[in-house]
Amino acid sequence: AQSVTQPDIHITVSEGASLELRCNYSYGATPYLFWYVQSPGQGLQLLLKYFSGDTLVQGIKGFEAEFKRSQSSFNLRKPSVHWSDAAEYFCAVGSYNQGGKLIFGQGTELSVKP
Amino acid sequence: GAVVSQHPSWVICKSGTSVKIECRSLDFQATTMFWYRQFPKQSLMLMATSNEGSKATYEQGVEKDKFLINHASLTLSTLTVTSAHPEDSSFYICSARSGTGNTEAFFGQGTRLTVV
Repeated sequence: AQSVTQPDIHITVSEGASLELRCNYSYGATPYLFWYVQSPGQGLQLLLKYFSGDTLVQGIKGFEAEFKRSQSSFNLRKPSVHWSDAAEYFCAVGSYNQGGKLIFGQGTELSVKP
Repeated sequence: GAVVSQHPSWVICKSGTSVKIECRSLDFQATTMFWYRQFPKQSLMLMATSNEGSKATYEQGVEKDKFLINHASLTLSTLTVTSAHPEDSSFYICSARSGTGNTEAFFGQGTRLTVV
């Protein structure tokens, strides 16, 4: 079955500390992978995406993610977290064969402490 | 990036009434639109996929007679929640994409529906 797992429901990091949010997927076809951020009551903002090519992807707001096919993972990282990064983060997977529809992970809530 | 606009941002309706939510692609032609539902503190669940001029394809477990989707033009899709009940209260988000293959879908800002 196709699925996306974000093992961490809630993470708290100190401002300025590094961050890694985990994402694992199970998908039959070649996956397209995405990370989105959502502030309370808001829609989704795309942080970065992976379709093909370089497995280390750079995104907006200083985020990056690395696609590791052997581990079925697409973890999101940021070297230094800012208080404004506090939000809900969703990993999603799709594919060309699925016509663009996405399967989302359950989300990781990030809190940033001063 | 491309802009997708949802209207209204929030709506409160009485139980038994119907509510229409609009999803518009403002600066591109959306051949495909997707409707998602998000319960509080939960993930997004795909409800249906609509292609312009075609009937929507609903995901398993989604009542197509309750959640009517129309994609009459390349810039507009609507979701109508018919005979709404309190359990339909949720956050509804649409996304839209043009073309196929390596094209991403762009998300609207979402609509908060509260049924009282």
